[in-house]
Amino acid sequence: GENVEQHPSTLSVQEGDSAVIKCTYSDSASNYFPWYKQELGKRPQLIIDIRSNVGEKKDQRIAVTLNKTAKHFSLHITETQPEDSAVYFCAASIRTTGRRALTFGSGTRLQVQP
Amino acid sequence: SAVISQKPSRDICQRGTSLTIQCQVDSQVTMMFWYRQQPGQSLTLIATANQGSEATYESGFVIDKFPISRPNLTFSTLTVSNMSPEDSSIYLCSVEARVNTEAFFGQGTRLTVV
Repeated sequence: GENVEQHPSTLSVQEGDSAVIKCTYSDSASNYFPWYKQELGKRPQLIIDIRSNVGEKKDQRIAVTLNKTAKHFSLHITETQPEDSAVYFCAASIRTTGRRALTFGSGTRLQVQP
Repeated sequence: SAVISQKPSRDICQRGTSLTIQCQVDSQVTMMFWYRQQPGQSLTLIATANQGSEATYESGFVIDKFPISRPNLTFSTLTVSNMSPEDSSIYLCSVEARVNTEAFFGQGTRLTVV
């Protein structure tokens, strides 16, 4: 089955700096790659997603890039703010047929220092 | 977006007992899933809840321990049976409203087994 690896496990940045989180996946059939933000004691919330027919997607300060050949995708957060502090999870799934459930990475705890 | 109501939000249970967690969605959804999130860890898929048929379980999870029902397109239950302290975790319901759309999560059930 699918295996998703995520790095780093923790990331500390100064407010205003950029943060990058990287994930690799094993199943070349995976075609949907969401990123979730989970604040302490709360449910995971989708912040951005990308499908395999797109190489990059941006939404304000957040962007995701996908390299299908290398089977890795990354989350980029620019101009970080203290409210960006949370745990971020990448995930992968097959959204057309087959396994539709998400396989999650291990998570990255991001701390933005004011 | 789908509004998910998950109950109970938390519970403390005696070992050897069972707890049933409910997941109610405000609209019909195509897919429903149950995940487990152990303290400080990532999300692990327990099973896909299939409407009108037996759930599809992931490796390491069995029906006798985690029976699941999905009587219709808006409701599912997960039972954690014969609980032990190792079952202490957060259990999350997730839904996909329509084919090829994002997955939403319930607020989770924080279970402590003593």
